[in-house]
Amino acid sequence: ETGVTQTPRHLVMGMTNKKSLKCEQHLGHNAMYWYKQSAKKPLELMFVYNFKEQTENNSVPSRFSPECPNSSHLFLHLHTLQPEDSALYLCASSQLGGHTEAFFGQGTRLTVV
Amino acid sequence: AQKITQTQPGMFVQEKEAVTLDCTYDTSDPSYGLFWYKQPSSGEMIFLIYQGSYDQQNATEGRYSLNFQKARKSANLVISASQLGDSAMYFCAMREGGSSNTGKLIFGQGTTLQVKP
Repeated sequence: ETGVTQTPRHLVMGMTNKKSLKCEQHLGHNAMYWYKQSAKKPLELMFVYNFKEQTENNSVPSRFSPECPNSSHLFLHLHTLQPEDSALYLCASSQLGGHTEAFFGQGTRLTVV
Repeated sequence: AQKITQTQPGMFVQEKEAVTLDCTYDTSDPSYGLFWYKQPSSGEMIFLIYQGSYDQQNATEGRYSLNFQKARKSANLVISASQLGDSAMYFCAMREGGSSNTGKLIFGQGTTLQVKP
């Protein structure tokens, strides 16, 4: 299995829909992250979870709701999104306390119509 | 405030030649890490190389090397013997260390590299 797996890979949703993005890591890491990558913009950190506890919310609108039930799984629940929320959403994991790099999933390409 | 700057939106290089992608950073933390990632069109971010702020030598990983100039706060990526498969977006990133380390990365704007046959 790959290190970090995201599902689905592609998602089209209406502004009134509710959907969830899923991320799973098989690396034994203790930290997980959600990043947003919009066209022609650098990656923006959305949420950080260390040991299942949210340690950072980077002023993300409440229509994005993260959930981390255990250190291997991370979800991003979406509701009443706007077209400008269309982007590539990347999940990553890392091991705190060392110099190890963050490992990324392949991302979910989200289109809000 | 911490910041990463990549001033080259796009670069071209001839196959088999070397290319340097620029990255400058700004931080007040004496302990930090610098990373380079490759993002092909598929979207996945692939880790290439890491340089710690206290490392005395420049990092190398195969055809990738990092030209770390601490006083100038630059961490340029050098790709030697470019291959067609190197065509992708490249991101420089920084993680601050110390007690406030949550592992989060700050990314630059990215550089699109195209390798010409």
